Amino acid sequence: QKEVEQNSGPLSVPEGAIASLNCTYSDRGSQSFFWYRQYSGKSPELIMSIYSNGDKEDGRFTAQLNKASQYVSLLIRDSQPSDSATYLCAVTLSGAGSYQLTFGKGTKLSVIP
Amino acid sequence: DTAVSQTPKYLVTQMGNDKSIKCEQNLGHDTMYWYKQDSKKFLKIMFSYNNKELIINETVPNRFSPKSPDKAHLNLHINSLELGDSAVYFCASSQGPIEETQYFGPGTRLLVL
Repeated sequence: QKEVEQNSGPLSVPEGAIASLNCTYSDRGSQSFFWYRQYSGKSPELIMSIYSNGDKEDGRFTAQLNKASQYVSLLIRDSQPSDSATYLCAVTLSGAGSYQLTFGKGTKLSVIP
Repeated sequence: DTAVSQTPKYLVTQMGNDKSIKCEQNLGHDTMYWYKQDSKKFLKIMFSYNNKELIINETVPNRFSPKSPDKAHLNLHINSLELGDSAVYFCASSQGPIEETQYFGPGTRLLVL
């Protein structure tokens, strides 16, 4: 069973701090990695994707990938109360001509004003 | 203009009933998906269609039957509903089967009594 693991939290950080969200995955063949944000009662929305080792920055968000350690993380700088949500890590499981996302169970982030 | 829409938003029904959920996307995408998110927020893929053809069929009870009348629509029919079917069902779409960015609909909250 190929899995994606996340700490369910809740992770509480004060406003303005850096929030660090972590994810590990079991499938060494995984090629693509994503972070989705899901507000309570809403649908997931893609905030970051990363495909190669290293860091990828987009505004206040930085995704970090280490394929050797099978680890992907999301850093949120200058955290805002509006960042309070559940963050879902997703990893591809590719197969014959098809594409499939496997999601972790999500980490609930709470940014305290 | 809603990109991925689902109807109904809420569905409350008795055990044993049959119900359908409809999904439509106006993004011109070729691939559509059904996901189930349980009470613990675990998001799991159920089915995927590409150009009206089934390409992913995860282990779900055969009481669940997807139907894609055209590539803009993917419906989910559920027979003989059980208590454990209570969940949020999300439809999603992507450009193609190997296109990684998936856009989610607002979800259908199903409660089986």
